[in-house]
Amino acid sequence: QSALTQPASVSGSPGQSITISCTGTSSDVGGYNYVSWYQQHPGKAPKVMIYDVNKRPSGVSNRFSGSKSGNTASLTISGLQAEDEADYYCSSYIGSSTYVFGTGTKVTVL
Amino acid sequence: QVQLVESGGGVVQPGRSLRLSCAASGFTFSSHDIFWVRQAPGKGLEWVATIWYDGTNKYYADSVKGRFTISRDNSKNTVYLQMSSLRAEDTAVYYCAKAPVFYSETSGWGPEYYFDYWGQGTLVTVSS
Repeated sequence: QSALTQPASVSGSPGQSITISCTGTSSDVGGYNYVSWYQQHPGKAPKVMIYDVNKRPSGVSNRFSGSKSGNTASLTISGLQAEDEADYYCSSYIGSSTYVFGTGTKVTVL
Repeated sequence: QVQLVESGGGVVQPGRSLRLSCAASGFTFSSHDIFWVRQAPGKGLEWVATIWYDGTNKYYADSVKGRFTISRDNSKNTVYLQMSSLRAEDTAVYYCAKAPVFYSETSGWGPEYYFDYWGQGTLVTVSS
């Protein structure tokens, strides 16, 4: 199972919106509505930001939203803030209790 | 509060073995699937293994199949990852993580398909 494809980096100014894509196949992203997104600051454990394509866990800012179209999922961060600067990973369930992660995207707040 | 604490990492020579532990607290451990996810230095996340809540089913990434074994002791709220025939490419921070559960009137309790809590990770370095 190959990693899902994400852009290596995305940047934006404070207050702007950015979108990170996560491209897979019909065997992963396209086949299940179980895409999740994780934020990871340097030296820290990942933190879930979105699950089941577009659901936000309690405590996660509503500036984070998710969507999916075909084999591509997306994470949008609106009203970009300095604290959003981090690495972001998508993940998809691929059946039989197995998962695949994306290649990761470094978000820079200019 | 939910806590997952990994231990057992260290420096090990290629071809040798190492056992990682993940001690859990703050939730009903025996009701949740547990996972190992690793991250090589400067690289992305890689799912490694899954063990069902009751230990009856285990799944592995192709990269570790036949070399790594996941197990759990629900009486000790602990999951293990026995790693053997270690290679340089196994060098990584190893995280354990859990999945939440949900209840359905039609199918009863079942896992959700994401990782809601993670440990802080333990570093494994495979080097001669």
